[in-house]
Amino acid sequence: DTGVSQNPRHKITKRGQNVTFRCDPISEHNRLYWYRQTLGQGPEFLTYFQNEAQLEKSRLLSDRFSAERPKGSFSTLEIQRTEQGDSAMYLCASSFREIDGYTFGSGTRLTVV
Amino acid sequence: AQSVAQPEDQVNVAEGNPLTVKCTYSVSGNPYLFWYVQYPNRGLQFLLKYITGDNLVKGSYGFEAEFNKSQTSFHLKKPSALVSDSALYFCAVMQYGNKLVFGAGTILRVKS
Repeated sequence: DTGVSQNPRHKITKRGQNVTFRCDPISEHNRLYWYRQTLGQGPEFLTYFQNEAQLEKSRLLSDRFSAERPKGSFSTLEIQRTEQGDSAMYLCASSFREIDGYTFGSGTRLTVV
Repeated sequence: AQSVAQPEDQVNVAEGNPLTVKCTYSVSGNPYLFWYVQYPNRGLQFLLKYITGDNLVKGSYGFEAEFNKSQTSFHLKKPSALVSDSALYFCAVMQYGNKLVFGAGTILRVKS
């Protein structure tokens, strides 16, 4: 197993465009998390899936953000009508049990110009 | 609510000297505590965790951390720092059934 994979690694987009990121978790992990990290800050929780069910969404996740995890496998995070404030590193993580902690991917760095 | 404080933005230490990166937490009940390390433009890598049992936990790359319930602290330590330890370190807390909450991070600089 190669760990948690995120694509693309970098994305530059113009303000107002839509972007979609993909996360492939470790295959036996049923829990999948999205976090956002801005410069000088720790990762902030966005949303959480257990299998295909989205169980929790942060208030940080505005209506422009949507996440899916079809069939409980990979997940996508879409941002519509991007704004400059969306520029950040978007991190995906997965876990099998909570006490194991999370395994993080390398992240997708989004720059909105 | 869960929260984590890392009181130092940056810690500087000479190579070969012991290092400590501080972390305090606030959570009701028994916490699960974690340390992660992040290198530039990379995701977070797991270092160690405290779930239950011995208050001193050992992790990757020679790091260890001590859980102190009375002081609600979980400081990260290493007896002898290496230049390659220079990175951004995050403490995180989890309450059972909840998600990981991270501190703001501490930059560790080890000088040769």
